[in-house]
Amino acid sequence: DGGITQSPKYLFRKEGQNVTLSCEQNLNHDAMYWYRQDPGQGLRLIYYSQIVNDFQKGDIAEGYSVSREKKESFPLTVTSAQKNPTAFYLCASNSLREAGANVLTFGAGSRLTVL
Amino acid sequence: AQTVTQSQPEMSVQEAETVTLSCTYDTSESDYYLFWYKQPPSRQMILVIRQEAYKQQNATENRFSVNFQKAAKSFSLKISDSQLGDAAMYFCALGSGANSKLTFGKGITLSVRP
Repeated sequence: DGGITQSPKYLFRKEGQNVTLSCEQNLNHDAMYWYRQDPGQGLRLIYYSQIVNDFQKGDIAEGYSVSREKKESFPLTVTSAQKNPTAFYLCASNSLREAGANVLTFGAGSRLTVL
Repeated sequence: AQTVTQSQPEMSVQEAETVTLSCTYDTSESDYYLFWYKQPPSRQMILVIRQEAYKQQNATENRFSVNFQKAAKSFSLKISDSQLGDAAMYFCALGSGANSKLTFGKGITLSVRP
């Protein structure tokens, strides 16, 4: 079945450590996104990529980095510079060529907790 | 900049009754799309319904329908015959034709009373 796989589902990190969240899709979607979800804040866009080897900052990119070396993969690194990294992270993707291209498909999410 | 506002953090409905969730938005784009997503306790985001701004007819998907008021920039979701499985957080979202990313509201938690 086509979909988006995020791993790990749960991750614990000590302060000062970088961690990388994985996001893989087999939907042949062009664009991929990372959102952060906090209670009462909704979903806020961290980074997005519409084409391989190119990505754009979202609204809250500070302390995060991404890469898009393959169409299927869009890993997110939470660096030690991110002051409050404990959150639920959602990866999403969509096609830019189909009708209704804005429809996002989401992964199941990754919960990051900083100890 | 695009904004989406969901001013009610929580709502409750009796099973089998109808409930309406409110959403207002702002955008300078003429070509845009509006969405309602559902996030149940599993936290998997699920698309409920989509509305293209150029369409005057309100979208409907089974028990879910929208009231799209373009001039007022309002996009409410009506859930008819509410079921226990409808209990979830609901997010309103806005996307433009010029850019593929979506802007989300803060969400509303809907509880369904048996």
